[in-house]
Amino acid sequence: EVQLVESGGGLVQPGGSLRLSCATAGFTFSDYWMYWVRQAPGQGLVCLSQISPDGSHRNYADHVRGRITISRDNAKNRLSLEMKSLTAEDTATYFCVRGSHDWMGIDYWGQGTLVAVSS
Amino acid sequence: IVMTQTPVSSPVTLGQPASISCRSSQSLVHSNGNTYLTWFHQRPGQPPRLLIYNIDKRFSGVPDRFSASGAGTEFTLKISRVEAEDVGIYYCIHAPQFPPNIGQGTKLEI
Repeated sequence: EVQLVESGGGLVQPGGSLRLSCATAGFTFSDYWMYWVRQAPGQGLVCLSQISPDGSHRNYADHVRGRITISRDNAKNRLSLEMKSLTAEDTATYFCVRGSHDWMGIDYWGQGTLVAVSS
Repeated sequence: IVMTQTPVSSPVTLGQPASISCRSSQSLVHSNGNTYLTWFHQRPGQPPRLLIYNIDKRFSGVPDRFSASGAGTEFTLKISRVEAEDVGIYYCIHAPQFPPNIGQGTKLEI
């Protein structure tokens, strides 16, 4: 069974930083593209970043480029997202998402971790 | 590419059919001839769950009351008989490139 478990969310002050993690199990992590997608309260889905199976290729959405860094540890089956200079607009649930191996897309999502940016 | 879903919100009746449309501003046919249009369902407080991939392929464990069709720029998700567990928001997503193209969502409510 594919498992994606995010952690690291919480309340952070404006201007602060945060590191999110995603522990994975049930599949060969090092074979898959991985993504971070966020969803602000009551809003739609926004893809922030993706990383290639070996970590050599990383893509970022224009509106967050420079403020976030995606990384992975294939030895520990873990995906990470570092975020800095947080504002209220970054308040959202952050999902760890797996890229599909069988077609060009995404398939499994974690439960998400909530990040609240407030003073 | 802009993905536009209609309707934005849809009241439905249990046991009755429901249909959601997704229109893309450009053709989604990939250079390899495939079309990687997917449908996800998100229940309140839950992450999105994959229903359909490659336009019309049901994902593992998805009930056969869900079906989908389409080509090029026009796609449709259909539920033959709505059940209570089908409430929530449905998204069409096209993700063979970055960033993925994501529809704004259609809220299905009883």
